[in-house]
Amino acid sequence: KNEVEQSPQNLTAQEGEFITINCSYSVGISALHWLQQHPGGGIVSLFMLSSGKKKHGRLIATINIQEKHSSLHITASHPRDSAVYICAVVGGNDMRFGAGTRLTVKP
Amino acid sequence: KAGVTQTPRYLIKTRGQQVTLSCSPISGHRSVSWYQQTPGQGLQFLFEYFSETQRNKGNFPGRFSGRQFSNSRSEMNVSTLELGDSALYLCASSFLPMKTGWMGGYTFGSGTRLTVV
Repeated sequence: KNEVEQSPQNLTAQEGEFITINCSYSVGISALHWLQQHPGGGIVSLFMLSSGKKKHGRLIATINIQEKHSSLHITASHPRDSAVYICAVVGGNDMRFGAGTRLTVKP
Repeated sequence: KAGVTQTPRYLIKTRGQQVTLSCSPISGHRSVSWYQQTPGQGLQFLFEYFSETQRNKGNFPGRFSGRQFSNSRSEMNVSTLELGDSALYLCASSFLPMKTGWMGGYTFGSGTRLTVV
């Protein structure tokens, strides 16, 4: 079993829909990242969380440390949100990654 | 301010050769970490450098090595290349290393895509 599990693997949505991507982890962490990767490879760090909730524009990230679970929500999704979203946990000495969720938002 | 710069963007090498990739962090950032991304294994942590010292290393063979210079620029080297080393290699910079619990964010470069033939 992977230490960082993401679901779903693939997600297709219509423009305007509310999106949720989930991340569960089994190791102790000091922080959790949500990353966005567009075709071509570059990665953008969307959020870094150690507790609670963060919001940036249409993106919301939450983390429950006791349940070892985080969610990334996208409100009013747009085709430009189409990308791979990756959950990464910092466990003290390294960073471990989920397999990613490929999101496609159709107009 | 300038972002994290990785050079070269693309590279084709032959099995058995060695390769050196470069990463210039954001000005003021002293920690540089390296990652390998392949379709089969996804993203994996390679190593992290801070103040010219390797702080930690992922589960990769000794053919993968790196160093950091006094200006915080970092290089990684892969010797005796294998076909399986074909990947996107990414680096990220931050002000402090992971072990400190740094929450100020990490900035990733655009990566170097290495193809081994």
